[in-house]
Amino acid sequence: QSALTQPASVSGSPGQSITISCTGTSSDVGAYNYVSWYQQHPGKAPKLIIYEVSDRPSGVSYRFSGSKSGNTASLTISGLQAEDEADYYCGSYTSSLTWVFGGGTKLTVL
Amino acid sequence: QVQLLQRGAGLLKPSETLSLNCGIYGGSFSGYYWSWIRQPPGKGLEWIGEINQSGGTDYTPSLKSRITISVDTSMNQVSLRLTSVTAADTAVYYCARRTAKWFDPWGQGTQVTVSS
Repeated sequence: QSALTQPASVSGSPGQSITISCTGTSSDVGAYNYVSWYQQHPGKAPKLIIYEVSDRPSGVSYRFSGSKSGNTASLTISGLQAEDEADYYCGSYTSSLTWVFGGGTKLTVL
Repeated sequence: QVQLLQRGAGLLKPSETLSLNCGIYGGSFSGYYWSWIRQPPGKGLEWIGEINQSGGTDYTPSLKSRITISVDTSMNQVSLRLTSVTAADTAVYYCARRTAKWFDPWGQGTQVTVSS
């Protein structure tokens, strides 16, 4: 199972919005609404920020939103803040009954 | 609030066996899958396997011959065993609770380095 494809890096200024894409196949992202997103600060464990494509866990800022079209899922962060600077990973269930993640995207807040 | 606390050796020689434990505190053990996910240095996340309370397991195909995940329900603990390690197994290893189709929370992570 190949990893999902994410851009290596994205950047934005405080207050702006950015979008991170996550491209898979018809056997994972395109097959199920089981895409999740994780935020990871340096030296820390990943933290769930989006599940089932667009749902936010309790306590996660409304500035984080998710969507999906075909084989590509997207994470949008609006009103960028300095604390959003982190690595972001998408994950998906697969038709092989396993789980696959993206390679990660480093978000830099300028 | 459930917390996952990991323990285990971090430095191994090639061909040795990796053993990690994940204790589940402050929450229910039953009704979830308990997964192991690793992150090689500078790379993305890789799901390597999981287990439920009844001992049912699923493993990533590439590691199936070397990996064993077990559960001790009396101690609310999940264990990972990976045999015949090589440098390619060097990574931070995380345990995580899988709720339906997402992973939350995660353990603090254990750096495992394989070096002669």
